[in-house]
Formats: sequence, C-alpha cells, structure tokens
Amino acid sequence: AQKVTQAQTEISVVEKEDVTLDCVYETRDTTYYLFWYKQPPSGELVFLIRRNSFDEQNEISGRYSWNFQKSTSSFNFTITASQVVDSAVYFCALTRLNTGFQKLVFGTGTRLLVSP
Amino acid sequence: NAGVTQTPKFQVLKTGQSMTLQCAQDMNHEYMSWYRQDPGMGLRLIHYSVGAGITDQGEVPNGYNVSRSTTEDFPLRLLSAAPSQTSVYFCASTEGPNTGELFFGEGSRLTVL
Repeated sequence: AQKVTQAQTEISVVEKEDVTLDCVYETRDTTYYLFWYKQPPSGELVFLIRRNSFDEQNEISGRYSWNFQKSTSSFNFTITASQVVDSAVYFCALTRLNTGFQKLVFGTGTRLLVSP
Repeated sequence: NAGVTQTPKFQVLKTGQSMTLQCAQDMNHEYMSWYRQDPGMGLRLIHYSVGAGITDQGEVPNGYNVSRSTTEDFPLRLLSAAPSQTSVYFCASTEGPNTGELFFGEGSRLTVL
C-alpha cells in the first residue's frame, strides 16, 4: 500500500523567513511519481511540481526548491524568503506509473501561515 | 480554454436525496477521476476512469456511482445522500498514462443536512 505522511500540520513564519515542508512516503513500487500541490484560501489546487522516481536531482524554481531523497523516502519542499501570498495548504502526493496520475495518494497537508 | 469544469460549485441536500456532480473536460483527456477532500484528511480517490466505458473504484467508493459514456464527461452520482458525504469534491483529468499535466477542476462544495 502507498502512504504519504506530512507530519507538520501547521507552520507559522514571518515574511522573509525560509520554511521547509516535510513529506515522507511509503511505496513498494520501484517507479513512481511524486507531486506537490498548493491550495490557497480560494480552494483551487495549484500544481507545483511532478517528479518521477528515476530523477533524484533537486529542483529549484524561483523561491521554491525541492529535495528528493530516495534513501530516506522523502520529498521535502522549501520556500525561500517566504511571502504572505505563500499562505496556503500544501499537499504532497504519490502515484504509480501508468495510471494517468489519476490514482494519487495525498498526504493530509501542511497549512503554512506567513505573517507580515 | 475551459479545462476541467465542475458544476454545481455549491449544493445543499437533505439526507436521502440524490444528485449528480458534473465534470466535463474539453482537452480530449482519456484519464479522469473524482476525489473528495475532508478537513484534516487530504484528498481521497473515489472513482477513476481510463477511457470511455471504463471505470474503477478508488479508496472511498461507497455511496457513489460513476459512468463514462463519453471522453468529455465523468459525472459522479450520489444515489442517497448522507451527512458523511458532506465534503468538497474535485474532478481531475490527464492526457495519457505518464504524460501531460494533471488538471483539477475548481471543486464542488456539497453539504448534506
């Protein structure tokens, strides 16, 4: 069975602080995909990143960076110099290959509150 | 450029009533799915489809029915609504098994009294 654990229920930071959101996953598959989604207060799901298990390179996109470590089954997300607009719930998710990304297993989410 | 469209966005039902949540995509995507989101539980898969005429159950299928008669539409039916089905429902679609972006609809908030 697949499982995603986001142990941090809520994190509060002050603007410009760096913050890391943890994601630990469990799967018996050797190949899989990992995702991060952002859900702002408006409620929609915003895609942030998809990473397949073949590629362990870390990725940086502007203030966002992701650290994928197969050895520890973790896919952590760091926001550098956080801003108020980063306030949202962030979900990590996992799925097998060949499912059209349709059988996502989500973590319970981490609520990030960035105050001015 | 509509993407994934869900209707209605809000609905209030009484226990025992039936209703259908509509999901339509205009991208010719083969893969579609329904999730429900409950506080503190993330999103959980209800049903999914890999093409017209093909559906399968997800993690929490009880109380829900789906069909996929066309590529574009994937409606979710509640035959006899229960308060436990109060939730936010998301529909999603993807082009292929390992390609393309996973698109989510904006969500439908359902309250069952």
